[in-house]
Amino acid sequence: AQSVTQLGSHVSVSEGALVLLRCNYSSSVPPYLFWYVQYPNQGLQLLLKYTTGATLVKGINGFEAEFKKSETSFHLTKPSAHMSDAAEYFCAVSVSGNNQGGKLIFGQGTELSVKP
Amino acid sequence: SAVISQKPSRDICQRGTSLTIQCQVDSQVTMMFWYRQQPGQSLTLIATANQGSEATYESGFVIDKFPISRPNLTFSTLTVSNMSPEDSSIYLCSAGEGGIRAFFGQGTRLTVV
Repeated sequence: AQSVTQLGSHVSVSEGALVLLRCNYSSSVPPYLFWYVQYPNQGLQLLLKYTTGATLVKGINGFEAEFKKSETSFHLTKPSAHMSDAAEYFCAVSVSGNNQGGKLIFGQGTELSVKP
Repeated sequence: SAVISQKPSRDICQRGTSLTIQCQVDSQVTMMFWYRQQPGQSLTLIATANQGSEATYESGFVIDKFPISRPNLTFSTLTVSNMSPEDSSIYLCSAGEGGIRAFFGQGTRLTVV
């Protein structure tokens, strides 16, 4: 069974500093991995996803994530934080299987705060 | 990317009543999913809704409490029945294909008083 662990329920960075949000997964088969962002009182927006191929994935708003199979990790980074990045971030893994398309297991979420 | 519309966006309901949430996708999708996000929590899958068959419920969720319809490939409804304050959550609809695309609606924020 797949599972996702996000390390740190809350991360605080200064504006312009590096953002690093950690995500580790457990999966017995090659995973599909996702990062979502949720702004206050809004739904989930897809930031980026990894399915196959290049392990460094670039997403929207300057975010990127690297799939590291040996470390079972999919950490999210952004070189320079902006105030508008303050939100809740969720890492998710897609349940495998031909009939499971789109079914996701979510991590606990990491709230990102950006200080001026 | 798919565009998913949910209605209502929010509601305040009396305990003991039921609320039906609608989810409309702008393209045909095989599978639709309903999630619950309790206050301050992550998302938990309630059920998978497939067109032409009964929904598949996750552990801890039952059809009597959360009946789901899927009349066609672009639409689904979730009903929260006999509500109690513990049902106060955000309910999100999602659609995906092949484990690659998983898009979400804006959610329905439900408060039960």
